[in-house]
Amino acid sequence: EAQVTQNPRYLITVTGKKLTVTCSQNMNHEYMSWYRQDPGLGLRQIYYSMNVEVTDKGDVPEGYKVSRKEKRNFPLILESPSPNQTSLYFCASTRTGFSLGNEQFFGPGTRLTVL
Amino acid sequence: QQQVKQSPQSLIVQKGGISIINCAYENTAFDYFPWYQQFPGKGPALLIAIRPDVSEKKEGRFTISFNKSAKQFSLHIMDSQPGDSATYFCAASGGTNAGKSTFGDGTTLTVKP
Repeated sequence: EAQVTQNPRYLITVTGKKLTVTCSQNMNHEYMSWYRQDPGLGLRQIYYSMNVEVTDKGDVPEGYKVSRKEKRNFPLILESPSPNQTSLYFCASTRTGFSLGNEQFFGPGTRLTVL
Repeated sequence: QQQVKQSPQSLIVQKGGISIINCAYENTAFDYFPWYQQFPGKGPALLIAIRPDVSEKKEGRFTISFNKSAKQFSLHIMDSQPGDSATYFCAASGGTNAGKSTFGDGTTLTVKP
């Protein structure tokens, strides 16, 4: 089954304690992205990756890091989380091609609470 | 600078009615305009999408209308059903950067039986 998986699904942590949210896709897509979803603000892109070792900032990259060492994995790293990073996070994998369009396949989400 | 503006923020429609959600974009380099549907506790999923070379696309009860000169596009849900109750996001992407996507703020649709 084609899918995007994220772990953990729920996480409660404290300010300053480094954490990593993992993301994996099995569709061999080159493009992957991370988003955060906050009430009334929609989905805001944090980082995206065009291929292995190629990443770029989205609209809200401050306080986040990413890496893309393998095509299927795209972890999101919060080195020193703060309460304003409490949010619902989605990883997405993008199928590209002119005839297909840039359809994004989203993971189930990770709800992060930073105390 | 918000590149995709979506309205309304919330919408209540009677069963069988027509739901209309609007989006406006700024970047003329965008060349892919999808609508995503999100149910509570789930990730968004593609509902329907359009390229700027056509003015309308229909899939079942869902239609996108696209106005390139006005830089606007809208989602029409005909014969709305309670099962359509969800949050809808418009988005725009493409041009020279297929990886960069901008989403609207979302519309919460409630269809009353």
